[in-house]
Amino acid sequence: GESVGLHLPTLSVQEGDNSIINCAYSNSASDYFIWYKQESGKGPQFIIDIRSNMDKRQGQRVTVLLNKTVKHLSLQIAATQPGDSAVYFCAENANIKAAGNKLTFGGGTRVLVKP
Amino acid sequence: EAQVTQNPRYLITVTGKKLTVTCSQNMNHEYMSWYRQDPGLGLRQIYYSMNVEVTDKGDVPEGYKVSRKEKRNFPLILESPSPNQTSLYFCASSYRGDRAGYGYTFGSGTRLTVV
Repeated sequence: GESVGLHLPTLSVQEGDNSIINCAYSNSASDYFIWYKQESGKGPQFIIDIRSNMDKRQGQRVTVLLNKTVKHLSLQIAATQPGDSAVYFCAENANIKAAGNKLTFGGGTRVLVKP
Repeated sequence: EAQVTQNPRYLITVTGKKLTVTCSQNMNHEYMSWYRQDPGLGLRQIYYSMNVEVTDKGDVPEGYKVSRKEKRNFPLILESPSPNQTSLYFCASSYRGDRAGYGYTFGSGTRLTVV
């Protein structure tokens, strides 16, 4: 498969444990945030999103937390499974009307799930 | 199946030989975008299009051209490729920001090597 990054921070997690992936964003005008998952050889896939008027949003086994005060975003994965091994990216969207749907991506975090 | 289709998946070419990477989506999305992905640099936007005949530069547009003659297609053109354009390229599409579901749908990627 394709290598998506040779210098990514890596999070090693035991199967069944919870994972927490962190992301700092820089633009206080960003009003929409998304987490993507990228498996080897594939394009990024949407996991969950959150708007700036929310602090928390839950999906299936995933929770996104947004702290606008410190411009921090986190993704929590419950009961991590081997299929969760991938690179995870956060993305922010600022000033939608000016630049449409332009997303600015973070550098990514590699998650390795140990059996 | 709703998808973004890129071709080719892999391409090796020589410096200066014009090439086109095609991108097509079947979701009637207004917004389309090209990104390149490099180790340690994450995903960086090359060009985007908010609708037919409307295109604009992203963060790293030098050496690239695009066109949007039809809503479904958004080809990426390298008139005179150089080795620093060796990268993994992704096309993405979405609805406009004022509609539900801002997240992108990504293609599977094109691995380009310029020698």
